Amino acid sequence: NAGVTQTPKFRILKIGQSMTLQCTQDMNHNYMYWYRQDPGMGLKLIYYSVGAGITDKGEVPNGYNVSRSTTEDFPLRLELAAPSQTSVYFCASNRAEQETQYFGPGTRLLVL
Amino acid sequence: GQNIDQPTEMTATEGAIVQINCTYQTSGFNGLFWYQQHAGEAPTFLSYNVLDGLEEKGRFSSFLSRSKGYSYLLLKELQMKDSASYLCAVMDSNYQLIWGAGTKLIIKP
Repeated sequence: NAGVTQTPKFRILKIGQSMTLQCTQDMNHNYMYWYRQDPGMGLKLIYYSVGAGITDKGEVPNGYNVSRSTTEDFPLRLELAAPSQTSVYFCASNRAEQETQYFGPGTRLLVL
Repeated sequence: GQNIDQPTEMTATEGAIVQINCTYQTSGFNGLFWYQQHAGEAPTFLSYNVLDGLEEKGRFSSFLSRSKGYSYLLLKELQMKDSASYLCAVMDSNYQLIWGAGTKLIIKP
């Protein structure tokens, strides 16, 4: 099992550009999450999904969108990138909401 | 508001014991997690406590007191590879994880 995979590993964007961060898990987990991690701060939840076709906002959803068309994939879309979106983005998944979350390797995004 | 507090940085010596504390105030409680995160890598699960008391797993132990809103992670027989950040996270009443900023542990020979 590959677990949770994310692409790309690193990306530089110009202000106003858009991009999609990819996340795939092969553990047949129902729950998937997107977090951002900024220096000196705890992980912040952007969006989460409890199953295919169902998504919901987390603590910091502004500037992002998600979709969940399959159990395996949970892409995160950035529209009109801003410097404040410079961060490390982690995707995670678990089988049930109260269980341990497993993380992907992360995507480092720099917006200039 | 919801808040997780843990020290920013700690230093310890190889072979010694270190205790990393975490205090929390959250809306509801459905368990406390400790994760390890090496620089530039993803967080990886270390331990989970939902009842008061000590959970031991090899060189690592985690303690929880729900009445005090307090947990600690105890690392014994420290090795250089234990140099990492240790993240405390509480699962709130909505089953969402509230994360502390992490404690960077520096191990010296």
